[in-house]
Amino acid sequence: AAGVIQSPRHLIKEKRETATLKCYPIPRHDTVYWYQQGPGQDPQFLISFYEKMQSDKGSIPDRFSAQQFSDYHSELNMSSLELGDSALYFCASSLEGGSLQETQYFGPGTRLLVL
Amino acid sequence: AQTVTQSQPEMSVQEAETVTLSCTYDTSESDYYLFWYKQPPSRQMILVIRQEAYKQQNATENRFSVNFQKAAKSFSLKISDSQLGDAAMYFCANNSGANSKLTFGKGITLSVRP
Repeated sequence: AAGVIQSPRHLIKEKRETATLKCYPIPRHDTVYWYQQGPGQDPQFLISFYEKMQSDKGSIPDRFSAQQFSDYHSELNMSSLELGDSALYFCASSLEGGSLQETQYFGPGTRLLVL
Repeated sequence: AQTVTQSQPEMSVQEAETVTLSCTYDTSESDYYLFWYKQPPSRQMILVIRQEAYKQQNATENRFSVNFQKAAKSFSLKISDSQLGDAAMYFCANNSGANSKLTFGKGITLSVRP
């Protein structure tokens, strides 16, 4: 079965640079979630989208922005990168606007290292 | 706001034995779901099992089962016949509210002794 695709899988950037992470949800899934997992930490919710509209916002820095496109894929744009942004970034997708009964399926994550 | 607490940072189990991982949660929502996710060294997040809060029957998936105590806000995971491949970080999570974002506990590292 098709899974959530994230690209790139690994990314190395310098401080103050910009990064773009991409997420392709499972076919027919209309809701995308982004999570950040720091080293030794639990995943923290950043932001979610449903039908190209932001549906919820968590602890996402102002330096980060995201959007969902008409084909439901999503991109997380990160600017002025800081050392503390080094983390594993997960994308998850679900059906039906992320209603409670719909399970979120996670992608493999993008490992971002900021030097 | 919801919180998820996993107070045990590490546990160890002998292969073929049974182990129980503890989790407590707090939420003001009446409708919610609870999950256990497994994160092996590859760091992929894999859904192990989920429980609907309105169901009294405990969820079961093969060797994995939960003990859901709604009044106590407790949601433990039991792994029977532990296998070496079960070694991983396990996260308890809760989703509730209109947009279903997941709130995770701090996780527990499970090691399996051969």
